[in-house]
Amino acid sequence: GAGVSQSPSNKVTEKGKDVELRCDPISGHTALYWYRQSLGQGLEFLIYFQGNSAPDKSGLPSDRFSAERTGGSVSTLTIQRTQQEDSAVYLCASSLASALHQPQHFGDGTRLSIL
Amino acid sequence: RKEVEQDPGPFNVPEGATVAFNCTYSNSASQSFFWYRQDCRKEPKLLMSVYSSGNEDGRFTAQLNRASQYISLLIRDSKLSDSATYLCVVSPYSSASKIIFGSGTRLSIRP
Repeated sequence: GAGVSQSPSNKVTEKGKDVELRCDPISGHTALYWYRQSLGQGLEFLIYFQGNSAPDKSGLPSDRFSAERTGGSVSTLTIQRTQQEDSAVYLCASSLASALHQPQHFGDGTRLSIL
Repeated sequence: RKEVEQDPGPFNVPEGATVAFNCTYSNSASQSFFWYRQDCRKEPKLLMSVYSSGNEDGRFTAQLNRASQYISLLIRDSKLSDSATYLCVVSPYSSASKIIFGSGTRLSIRP
């Protein structure tokens, strides 16, 4: 498909488990973003990649969160030792280049529920 | 003060009405501005970019006021399908990395 693809679309797991979320950006988009959105809330910026490097990790809420991107394409967001407050929709977006003047295209998100 | 602030609403207006809402931003160096639309339990989608001179796309008009540091979105002849949350998005010039999303303004159009 031509859009941003995220998997899984839904994930239910027990507190304390690790989870890995995947994002496949639009082909040719060098910038990739991770956000999370809690129910009824706005988007919370987590991390941004330009190519494979992450110049801005300021949004990661704790050291349990990490992300990587390989080959300038697919990115994975890993949450270790999940907590109930991690429950949210995790959205990935990509854009052609840096954020300046370039709109972002979003995936459908991964709905994460921690029991 | 939040970097990007929006009135959360909800704005509840009748079909056919004109509605407008603003978004204020704190970083005077911001250079890129967008309005996104998000339907309930869906991902955000770009509605329109906001240009310095203001721009129009059909029933939608976006304006930028740099002096007062806000952008606005005006919707004319509102339709039921316009019901959504409208997110203001600001990109700081000094950092190409971080795009700031407002928490959104909920709009509900009633028949």
